[in-house]
Amino acid sequence: GAGVSQSPSNKVTEKGKDVELRCDPISGHTALYWYRQRLGQGLEFLIYFQGNSAPDKSGLPSDRFSAERTGESVSTLTIQRTQQEDSAVYLCASSLDQGPNSPLHFGNGTRLTVT
Amino acid sequence: AQSVTQLDSHVSVSEGTPVLLRCNYSSSYSPSLFWYVQHPNKGLQLLLKYTSAATLVKGINGFEAEFKKSETSFHLTKPSAHMSDAAEYFCVVSFLTGGGADGLTFGKGTHLIIQP
Repeated sequence: GAGVSQSPSNKVTEKGKDVELRCDPISGHTALYWYRQRLGQGLEFLIYFQGNSAPDKSGLPSDRFSAERTGESVSTLTIQRTQQEDSAVYLCASSLDQGPNSPLHFGNGTRLTVT
Repeated sequence: AQSVTQLDSHVSVSEGTPVLLRCNYSSSYSPSLFWYVQHPNKGLQLLLKYTSAATLVKGINGFEAEFKKSETSFHLTKPSAHMSDAAEYFCVVSFLTGGGADGLTFGKGTHLIIQP
């Protein structure tokens, strides 16, 4: 079946521009996560959505970062006034629910390059 | 506080020899444990998970892991490495019964290199 879909797969932008990254989770998955992965590094948690609950934004690195999710469907991660340090792969994952036994299903990521 | 430690940032083995990727955790709770693999330019893919059933867990591609509570470990093994196993491997621990972002902790990853 269809997995987690992220778009675009690659994005090159100039410093100071805004970018919007999109994630389509697996249908029926109530939980959705955004992570950032810098080159050669592990995953850095950004934000978590669970159903209609208030999102956990504790991982967002600055107020230039924001994310939205419409119900239990598409999510968008927006980075305003991009900086070179924002260059990374942004990974989205969804899971069936928030239980500890629910594995994450990851998209292939969006590779963001800020020039 | 909970934590997960992958003891090796890089592991290099020859093709056809065993693989051992080490993971230790600390927690006051009984965790759920996962191993994920990430091939270049791809997202993470679930290899296997432990959820308090059998302590020896078999996953995809011939990998398995054993949960040892006394050692707080969940090491990943494979009897015979294949070139296609070259990738980044992440140990992930979920501590809270409610799951969610706070209960999900990723290790820093182990880069597995397979020598021909």
